[in-house]
Amino acid sequence: AQRVTQPEKLLSVFKGAPVELKCNYSYSGSPELFWYVQYSRQRLQLLLRHISRESIKGFTADLNKGETSFHLKKPFAQEEDSAMYYCALRAGTYKYIFGTGTRLKVLA
Amino acid sequence: EPEVTQTPSHQVTQMGQEVILRCVPISNHLYFYWYRQILGQKVEFLVSFYNNEISEKSEIFDDQFSVERPDGSNFTLKIRSTKLEDSAMYFCASSEVQDRWSPLHFGNGTRLTVT
Repeated sequence: AQRVTQPEKLLSVFKGAPVELKCNYSYSGSPELFWYVQYSRQRLQLLLRHISRESIKGFTADLNKGETSFHLKKPFAQEEDSAMYYCALRAGTYKYIFGTGTRLKVLA
Repeated sequence: EPEVTQTPSHQVTQMGQEVILRCVPISNHLYFYWYRQILGQKVEFLVSFYNNEISEKSEIFDDQFSVERPDGSNFTLKIRSTKLEDSAMYFCASSEVQDRWSPLHFGNGTRLTVT
């Protein structure tokens, strides 16, 4: 079955604290994984993709095929990181599967 | 920066009525998508469209739904006879090319309320 699981609906952290948003996937092929973010009153936008191995806004995500995970991490959370975060799996030539999303709240 | 635009932002309709949700993808993009998000639930794939035909569709995309690219710019989603459970946020997305890492560019969404 093709599935993306984000176990936490809400994650609250204090400013400056580390953040880890969990994502697990189920896919029989070679996974292609993304993180999308939706800030308040804005559209869904790409944050990062696993192939890039880049750090965007201080966020990184490593694909762990053994654990079928693609957790999103940031060492020091900022208030402007507060948003809805969606993990997504490309599950076919034209189809992406999204997780249910995790709302990150960074408290002052 | 070019954006995907969707109209209207909010549509209220009565059960059984037909609705058309409109999208203008980014002009040089070739692949188009509709997703929906029922309140409190995940973003679900409905359909993808390329070269004037449906490329892939989900089990949600039944005979009540259809998509069309009536001209060179618009991409529409029609729901023939709306049901209460069609109430959701509908997102249009487009991508430039279909390489493995080409990101989806989303519109702001249309909130459909069926009463």
